[in-house]
Amino acid sequence: GEDVEQSLFLSVREGDSSVINCTYTDSSSTYLYWYKQEPGAGLQLLTYIFSNMDMKQDQRLTVLLNKKDKHLSLRIADTQTGDSAIYFCAESTSSASKIIFGSGTRLSIRP
Amino acid sequence: EAEVAQSPRYKITEKSQAVAFWCDPISGHATLYWYRQILGQGPELLVQFQDESVVDDSQLPKDRFSAERLKGVDSTLKIQPAELGDSAMYLCASSQGPNNEQFFGPGTRLTVL
Repeated sequence: GEDVEQSLFLSVREGDSSVINCTYTDSSSTYLYWYKQEPGAGLQLLTYIFSNMDMKQDQRLTVLLNKKDKHLSLRIADTQTGDSAIYFCAESTSSASKIIFGSGTRLSIRP
Repeated sequence: EAEVAQSPRYKITEKSQAVAFWCDPISGHATLYWYRQILGQGPELLVQFQDESVVDDSQLPKDRFSAERLKGVDSTLKIQPAELGDSAMYLCASSQGPNNEQFFGPGTRLTVL
């Protein structure tokens, strides 16, 4: 079945870049997403990428997709304390809207 | 800015009791989703509505969980009887259509004692 894997924790220094990695198993994935969840809150869609793209940049966020290796990454440039949150990688296929989420990566920022 | 509303935000109940959660999607959004998020995990889809019809409830434990969206607007998720393993965050999301961006509400955190 579909599966999305990501590391549980990442700690970076304020001002550095954060890179959160994700792997997925469904080769028919069409949409790949990054969501952010702050404590006690729902999920916020940060960005998404279509499977026919290999890169998308949106201000401080850069998404890289290696479809051959089924690997997705999210780079946050100039990481700030407000970026502390859990980041979820997710995927869905074009034939269904069901989104499969990873377990989330908790990003913590060191001063 | 329009938001998905959920209530209550927190619910503590004893096992074997009944609980109900309410969700009001963004106005005009035809597709509504209920997710369960166990601590330390990603959300898992329980049920998806298109207007008032269920289009996917394959992961809904139907012996104790029920969901309805009678007029195709707001929705209620019920658990009866609650079990200890039901302790989780229950998230509602809505989208304009099944292939559009999903907007999430703040969730209801359920604790079953």
